Amino acid sequence: AQTVTQSQPEMSVQEAETVTLSCTYDTSESDYYLFWYKQPPSRQMILVIRQEAYKQQNATENRFSVNFQKAAKSFSLKISDSQLGDAAMYFCAYRSALIGDMRFGAGTRLTVKP
Amino acid sequence: GAVVSQHPSRVICKSGTSVKIECRSLDFQATTMFWYRQFPKKSLMLMATSNEGSKATYEQGVEKDKFLINHASLTLSTLTVTSAHPEDSSFYICSAILRGNTGELFFGEGSRLTVL
Repeated sequence: AQTVTQSQPEMSVQEAETVTLSCTYDTSESDYYLFWYKQPPSRQMILVIRQEAYKQQNATENRFSVNFQKAAKSFSLKISDSQLGDAAMYFCAYRSALIGDMRFGAGTRLTVKP
Repeated sequence: GAVVSQHPSRVICKSGTSVKIECRSLDFQATTMFWYRQFPKKSLMLMATSNEGSKATYEQGVEKDKFLINHASLTLSTLTVTSAHPEDSSFYICSAILRGNTGELFFGEGSRLTVL
């Protein structure tokens, strides 16, 4: 079974600074998707960024980028120019291209200090 | 993006009663939907996979007789918590895959169940 590990329960960053959230995963599959979801206090799950495993190029979405290391099974999220609205729980997730369900890490609570 | 709507967003019920939560894909057809449970300050735990027109597949440890899942159409899946107990109180979230599978799951707003 696939597992997703987020080793940082909490992180803090100063507004306008950069922060990196860590994620590792375990799988024997070669075709899969990786995601970072944001969950604000409203509890709505919001997709931040996604990465297809077959793509070598790291995904970027405005201030959000990932460092995808397939061999190391690592998928970290970098948030640049942090904003107060970035404060939330961040979940790393894995989804097999075959099975389809999505598995989540334990989450990292990000605090942004003004 | 695709929209998934969940209803009700909050429900309070008495112990021993049953509660139904609906999950609808509003602007797309969802052959597969997933139901998750989230305890306070915890991650999302997959409960079951719901496929249109067939029986749901439950994760290990999830009681299928307590958490009844029905996926009667391509746009609707329901989760019924039967004979609810206080320990069933939780946040339940549904999600759906777009037909054609873009990889991403689309999530409902979640339903907070409180059993008194």
